[in-house]
Amino acid sequence: RKEVEQDPGPFNVPEGATVAFNCTYSNSASQSFFWYRQDCRKEPKLLMSVYSSGNEDGRFTAQLNRASQYISLLIRDSKLSDSATYLCVVTLYNAGNMLTFGGGTRLMVKP
Amino acid sequence: GAGVSQTPSNKVTEKGKYVELRCDPISGHTALYWYRQSLGQGPEFLIYFQGTGAADDSGLPNDRFFAVRPEGSVSTLKIQRTERGDSAVYLCASSLSGSQDEQFFGPGTRLTVL
Repeated sequence: RKEVEQDPGPFNVPEGATVAFNCTYSNSASQSFFWYRQDCRKEPKLLMSVYSSGNEDGRFTAQLNRASQYISLLIRDSKLSDSATYLCVVTLYNAGNMLTFGGGTRLMVKP
Repeated sequence: GAGVSQTPSNKVTEKGKYVELRCDPISGHTALYWYRQSLGQGPEFLIYFQGTGAADDSGLPNDRFFAVRPEGSVSTLKIQRTERGDSAVYLCASSLSGSQDEQFFGPGTRLTVL
């Protein structure tokens, strides 16, 4: 079983739609949680950190449920420029901050 | 300021050859990480340097893989006797101190082993 699991998609949505991605992680010792964005043939870039209290940044909202070991990302009012792969990422306590990535969920926003 | 740079951007080699991949981290960043990303998958951790020393090399797949960071800045990932299964994008990242600091990724080196 992978440590971080995501639905690979693709999610095909029209502009303006709301879309949600989910992710589960297997190690209960996981300490920090993130969503990264990766454009085609580019490097991953940090989108946002995820906290139990929820985290909102403009059209993006991330949520963590530690009891269920579940992370979510909600994108409202999708733009064409949101088309990318979204990577769910966790780090373990005292693990040198090495990032453990999920396989990514591909989003395609259509006009 | 300049971000993380990696050279070469693309490397094509033949099975059995030796390759070196270079990473220049952001100036002043003490932590440096190497990851490998195969097609359609997320990046996988290979090795982590804090300064000159390899603090965690648990992700290196076997002893054909080795990395160095002799002066605590530039790092080189070395792969001996390359195999077709080594084909992937090799990503380097650096962070200020390595604890909970954001990791900034370079553009990667796309390695193809024929």
